[in-house]
Amino acid sequence: GESVGLHLPTLSVQEGDNSIINCAYSNSASDYFIWYKQESGKGPQFIIDIRSNMDKRQGQRVTVLLNKTVKHLSLQIAATQPGDSAVYFCAVLNSGAGSYQLTFGKGTKLSVIP
Amino acid sequence: DAGVIQSPRHEVTEMGQEVTLRCKPISGHDYLFWYRQTMMRGLELLIYFNNNVPIDDSGMPEDRFSAKMPNASFSTLKIQPSEPRDSAVYFCASSLRAGGGSGANVLTFGAGSRLTVL
Repeated sequence: GESVGLHLPTLSVQEGDNSIINCAYSNSASDYFIWYKQESGKGPQFIIDIRSNMDKRQGQRVTVLLNKTVKHLSLQIAATQPGDSAVYFCAVLNSGAGSYQLTFGKGTKLSVIP
Repeated sequence: DAGVIQSPRHEVTEMGQEVTLRCKPISGHDYLFWYRQTMMRGLELLIYFNNNVPIDDSGMPEDRFSAKMPNASFSTLKIQPSEPRDSAVYFCASSLRAGGGSGANVLTFGAGSRLTVL
């Protein structure tokens, strides 16, 4: 099966600094990866995704890096803002497994210090 | 679009009572998912539907849990009888398609239903 882990349960960063949130996965057949942001009292919101044929993808202030060799992905947030405070989840999928079993990590809580 | 709509937002009930959670997916989305979130286990997929048909219910914890999707715009998750260990936030999500590869596969989550079983 798939297990998804996070290196740090909490992360505190100064406003304006860059944030890096890490995620490790175990199934080398995983081929689709998503980062979600969950604010208090809300459902997870899509941030960015990446397929296994890429190693980097950029969005607005966010970058996802994928290292398939060590089964690791990271989410980088540039110029972190107070509104970025939330819990961030990585989720992985093996699209060839015949079922849409999107496996979520436990989450990293990002706190932005003004 | 109002997004995925879930009700109730909060439910407090006593052990042994029946609980029904409701979901209205985004119009036009073919896939609907039910997730459960707890501090201990994180987000777990319970069941998902494609075109109103249950595809994978391997995550449903036991026979006390059942889910239906009578039409494309409505789904229910029922727990009968409820137990304190069922206390969690239950999320419904929908997507245009399932599987990796494009934005159409991205899940859009509702705000969740927080269930407390005393």
